[in-house]
Amino acid sequence: QVQLRESGPGLVKPSQTLSLTCTVSGGSISSGDHYWSWIRQPPGKGLEWIGHIYYTGVTTYNPSLRSRLTMSVDTSKNLFSLNLSSLTAADTAVYYCARERGLFGTNWFDPWGQGSLVIVSS
Amino acid sequence: EIVMTQSPATLSVSPGERATLSCRASQSVSSKLAWYQQKPGQAPRLLLYDASTRATGVPARFSGSGSGTEFTLTISSLQSEDFAVYYCQQYNNWPPWTFGQGTKVEIK
Repeated sequence: QVQLRESGPGLVKPSQTLSLTCTVSGGSISSGDHYWSWIRQPPGKGLEWIGHIYYTGVTTYNPSLRSRLTMSVDTSKNLFSLNLSSLTAADTAVYYCARERGLFGTNWFDPWGQGSLVIVSS
Repeated sequence: EIVMTQSPATLSVSPGERATLSCRASQSVSSKLAWYQQKPGQAPRLLLYDASTRATGVPARFSGSGSGTEFTLTISSLQSEDFAVYYCQQYNNWPPWTFGQGTKVEIK
């Protein structure tokens, strides 16, 4: 079955840019049947949807993060990526990648990656 | 943005008892609602989608109901492995997709 795995730095300095990658195995990101999402969770808090990307590179971002966010996809490597700039301590969180089940009206998240803790600190 | 509000924040329940969790949307989301379970140190796990359809492998003791703005997750007889945090998520209006703040089900 499809599995997702996040990778990236555990510690990033304030004002810098966070780069995370989600590698997909057990299925093709190019199938065209799914959006591929990023979701984050600050320590001890709830879940926040960051945005998603389609295999063609079309993106939709959370308006609250849009000005700092860039997502990309590499279909040859079956992975997608997130870049979040101008980091502050408020961006400290576990970052998850997840697959949206479908495109229209079926946008629940399943499966999820195991999560990658990112701490923003000098 | 649709705001999802879950209640209560914490629910204390004894094993074997029924747990009822609520999720309210700030505007109608039709039946486009999912429920997730999250245990400490783990990613969320999909339990239900379309308000009441159980995901693959989810035990029948988990059930969901509701439409529009009011939704309920019921765990009919709590098992030890069910003590966790539960989140609802709407996927009717975007961006963004939004989650509730979670309900923690703890052992009484």
